[in-house]
Amino acid sequence: EDQVTQSPEALRLQEGESSSLNCSYTVSGLRGLFWYRQDPGKGPEFLFTLYSAGEEKEKERLKATLTKKESFLHITAPKPEDSATYLCAVRDLGYGKLTFGQGTILTVHP
Amino acid sequence: DAGVIQSPRHEVTEMGQEVTLRCKPISGHNSLFWYRQTMMRGLELLIYFNNNVPIDDSGMPEDRFSAKMPNASFSTLKIQPSEPRDSAVYFCATHRGRDEKLFFGSGTQLSVL
Repeated sequence: EDQVTQSPEALRLQEGESSSLNCSYTVSGLRGLFWYRQDPGKGPEFLFTLYSAGEEKEKERLKATLTKKESFLHITAPKPEDSATYLCAVRDLGYGKLTFGQGTILTVHP
Repeated sequence: DAGVIQSPRHEVTEMGQEVTLRCKPISGHNSLFWYRQTMMRGLELLIYFNNNVPIDDSGMPEDRFSAKMPNASFSTLKIQPSEPRDSAVYFCATHRGRDEKLFFGSGTQLSVL
């Protein structure tokens, strides 16, 4: 059974204070690792897909990286509008379901 | 393309009542997923449809839950009878064409009193 563990559960940062979120996973065969952002009262919104160890993707202040056992979401010089819950999910070689972690609640204070 | 549309946005009901949640997926999809989100358990897959056929319903908690997809443009998730522990946010999600990422609706916030 696929498993995804995210840490920390919650992270408070000052504006401009860079940090990283962790996603550890166990999957029989990795088809892809996905990062989503979720704002209160909304559905998860796609950020990145990573397919193989060593791959990196960037979008504005976010950079996602992947190893064989974990992924990191690096946030550089965050702004208050980056505050959200960040979800990590894995897709195995099956039919396409995503197995999600519990998420990290990020709060960026001005 | 309006994306995945769910209704109602909020539903408050009393224990024992029937609840029906609705989803209109992205046009051109061939798969549909129902997820449930709670603080304790996060996002859990309830059921997966491919070409309107239920393929994996192993996440459906019990017989009180049922889901249908009568056509490619519409799906329902029904809970009968509802219980307070069913209180959660229910999401519908689909792929768009060959895109591997899932697109989520805004969810239905269900409260069973």
